Amino acid sequence: QAGLTQPPSVSKGLRQTATLTCTGNSNNVGYEGAAWLQQHQGHPPKLLSYRDNNRPSGISERLSASRSGDTASLTITGLQPEDEADYYCFAWDSGLSAWVFGGGTKLTVL
Amino acid sequence: EVQLVESGGALVQPGGSLRLSCAASGFTFSNHWVNWVRQAPGRGLEWVANIKEDGSVTFYVDSVKGRFTISRDNAKNSLYLQMNSLRVEDTAVYYCARDYGDLWGRGTLVTVSS
Repeated sequence: QAGLTQPPSVSKGLRQTATLTCTGNSNNVGYEGAAWLQQHQGHPPKLLSYRDNNRPSGISERLSASRSGDTASLTITGLQPEDEADYYCFAWDSGLSAWVFGGGTKLTVL
Repeated sequence: EVQLVESGGALVQPGGSLRLSCAASGFTFSNHWVNWVRQAPGRGLEWVANIKEDGSVTFYVDSVKGRFTISRDNAKNSLYLQMNSLRVEDTAVYYCARDYGDLWGRGTLVTVSS
């Protein structure tokens, strides 16, 4: 099953802004939007946002998500060392009747 | 405490079977879809299967169809994954996750190797 496309890595400096992208198609990202997960090494994933820009309680306001057509984006402002992690997008694919994930983006904070 | 706790992971030979469990607590389990998601060592996340609140609807990724079965027992607040005909490529940490992934367990490791 085809997955979503994410850049493998992004590097930004401390206190800078990083924008991570996730590209799908009209059956998944373009259908109901995408969700974003953060995963630190050795830990389970943590939900950051769902259906484009719904943020669970406790998630920093430095994070915001958006969508334009079949591409979803996660923007993190004022980067901190703790933001260094792997970030995954995923979406329900109405054609496959399956969740599809991106391959993940490793964010490095320099 | 609101949590999901997986168990049942083990080392198993190719072609073997294993049953994973996920115990839910701190919330009304029967009100939520639940998923199994796996992560092979050093790799990304892969959705495996999910099941509707009452167990009447299930979906699977193509690679496990016909081999894995997801089920639930709402009276026991538990989710299960019966895995048959296991392959080396099924080796992964298996997580259970609620709904859109707003709650995850810590995972259980399944290793398929001879």
